[in-house]
Amino acid sequence: QKEVEQNSGPLSVPEGAIASLNCTYSDRGSQSFFWYRQYSGKSPELIMSIYSNGDKEDGRFTAQLNKASQYVSLLIRDSQPSDSATYLCAVNAPRDGYNKLIFGAGTRLAVHP
Amino acid sequence: EPEVTQTPSHQVTQMGQEVILRCVPISNHLYFYWYRQILGQKVEFLVSFYNNEISEKSEIFDDQFSVERPDGSNFTLKIRSTKLEDSAMYFCASSFDRGSYNEQFFGPGTRLTVL
Repeated sequence: QKEVEQNSGPLSVPEGAIASLNCTYSDRGSQSFFWYRQYSGKSPELIMSIYSNGDKEDGRFTAQLNKASQYVSLLIRDSQPSDSATYLCAVNAPRDGYNKLIFGAGTRLAVHP
Repeated sequence: EPEVTQTPSHQVTQMGQEVILRCVPISNHLYFYWYRQILGQKVEFLVSFYNNEISEKSEIFDDQFSVERPDGSNFTLKIRSTKLEDSAMYFCASSFDRGSYNEQFFGPGTRLTVL
């Protein structure tokens, strides 16, 4: 069973639209959740972290967490072509002592003008 | 803004050779990590390091791998005898805290090519 799952995409949205990226995880005891953005050939860049059920907003980004459903999502409002990248969901696993991030395979987002 | 730095950006080596990848974590961070990403695949955890010792390691991190904090700023990953399958991007990361709220910040990576 995969530990962190994401749709690989590509998710194609027009400029100015809302992009919705989803992630599910298997370890019910997971406590912290992160969204990273990775441009092609570059390193993961942390854009959001969320620890409690509900929504967390930061600029154009909103992370949503539902621990009962083991589901975390990222909304990008007013999508720009510069948002085109792969978005990685990462989960902190308590059974591993919280030091280890487990990554999903990422969802590729393409924002077209 | 403080950032994690890594050198070299690209390392080419022959199979069986030793390589050392270097990282300078963010200066007030206490926890250090290595991850790798094989082309087209997921980012995978290798090892975490705190207080001059390994906290956790993955199954990938076998006897061919070692980590060291040789001084107050550098954090290194050594691969003793490289294999073709070690070709990947290697990312160093650091965090200020541990526990369930630690945010890990990644360096730009070293692309390792084993011929």
